[in-house]
Amino acid sequence: GESVGLHLPTLSVQEGDNSIINCAYSNSASDYFIWYKQESGKGPQFIIDIRSNMDKRQGQRVTVLLNKTVKHLSLQIAATQPGDSAVYFCAEVDGNKLVFGAGTILRVKS
Amino acid sequence: DAGVTQSPTHLIKTRGQQVTLRCSPKSGHDTVSWYQQALGQGPQFIFQYYEEEERQRGNFPDRFSGHQFPNYSSELNVNALLLGDSALYLCASSFLRLAEETQYFGPGTRLLVL
Repeated sequence: GESVGLHLPTLSVQEGDNSIINCAYSNSASDYFIWYKQESGKGPQFIIDIRSNMDKRQGQRVTVLLNKTVKHLSLQIAATQPGDSAVYFCAEVDGNKLVFGAGTILRVKS
Repeated sequence: DAGVTQSPTHLIKTRGQQVTLRCSPKSGHDTVSWYQQALGQGPQFIFQYYEEEERQRGNFPDRFSGHQFPNYSSELNVNALLLGDSALYLCASSFLRLAEETQYFGPGTRLLVL
């Protein structure tokens, strides 16, 4: 079936640097995407979303880019902090359900 | 503004037993979705409830069943537990009546089947 996947399973960055987490999706008909952050022992936390009629959306320290031509999403985190250490998932909204990839582990080195 | 709550936080069962997990949606939300998250994987959709009816179901056996109450809270029941049912069970809520697709998650219930 359709799936959403991630390129890099683990990303290590130095505190203060920018982080970029990538995601590929396979359903070209998808029109809504969400990034979630999941800390150890907790449920996924909404970070930012984007609809297919946009190619960029900015939040506080985070930016999501959508390239529909190559079916690719990215999450950029500016000035990465130790509290950003977590697993990051992109999810594709498919009707009533979210389709998640396996996730990317972000490790922030102090 | 109360977020999504789930109970219990942890649970240990043995094979063959039955379990009931509970979820209260975020204040104002009317739709509850359940997901299973195995260790090291992304959440997998189990089913979604709206107006006390199951709207959509993922690829899970009939051992997994659910219910939604008039106050929008929900239960997930799993019968005849298998070792492979050990996972984090997540509940997410959304506001379908306003056509809001964003789902907000609770902290999950960690189930261990021995």
